[in-house]
Amino acid sequence: GESVGLHLPTLSVQEGDNSIINCAYSNSASDYFIWYKQESGKGPQFIIDIRSNMDKRQGQRVTVLLNKTVKHLSLQIAATQPGDSAVYFCAETGDWTNFGNEKLTFGTGTRLTIIP
Amino acid sequence: SQTIHQWPATLVQPVGSPLSLECTVEGTSNPNLYWYRQAAGRGLQLLFYSVGIGQISSEVPQNLSASRPQDRQFILSSKKLLLSDSGFYLCAWSGSGGGDFGPGTRLTVT
Repeated sequence: GESVGLHLPTLSVQEGDNSIINCAYSNSASDYFIWYKQESGKGPQFIIDIRSNMDKRQGQRVTVLLNKTVKHLSLQIAATQPGDSAVYFCAETGDWTNFGNEKLTFGTGTRLTIIP
Repeated sequence: SQTIHQWPATLVQPVGSPLSLECTVEGTSNPNLYWYRQAAGRGLQLLFYSVGIGQISSEVPQNLSASRPQDRQFILSSKKLLLSDSGFYLCAWSGSGGGDFGPGTRLTVT
């Protein structure tokens, strides 16, 4: 749902382990989802996206899973590195074919800390 | 490819002074544009949302205003800044081809 500036949930993972960051969304009509990574003092950066006609999409060390039944999105980061420490946001929008006219809604975010 | 610019990168302003932050997008037309504020250690708070020139939706009551004088230009303003306006301000776009954030402006009101 819409972020309202709440405190960020945190996740700590040992370097080299895999991490999973979760995001729940409320709009069953959401058609397109994006994960962003925000490093300290910088704006969020695009990581990976997925459309609702897919369940899984893989990038370099990252995988996004989409479960439309329970309206749940997750970001898996394999073999975590210190540089993965950041805040991660999910975002959703309603209709990919009408993307230009749909508002992008962001989740609250999760702070991931990689422990050396 | 699309790029988004935002300036200034940092700004220190006294209470009661005016504010103008600018955001421009290249490589896309008729984008949705957004202004977010982020307090330290917190999530994103949507301030304004625009689907076109002159069309602004305000998401939360506040001391700020936004304008969109051109298709790919979005401006965040205030006539008189408050201490509580301090924060990290992010412009973002979404539309054909995806969506992304600008580099942000760190505003400190003293």
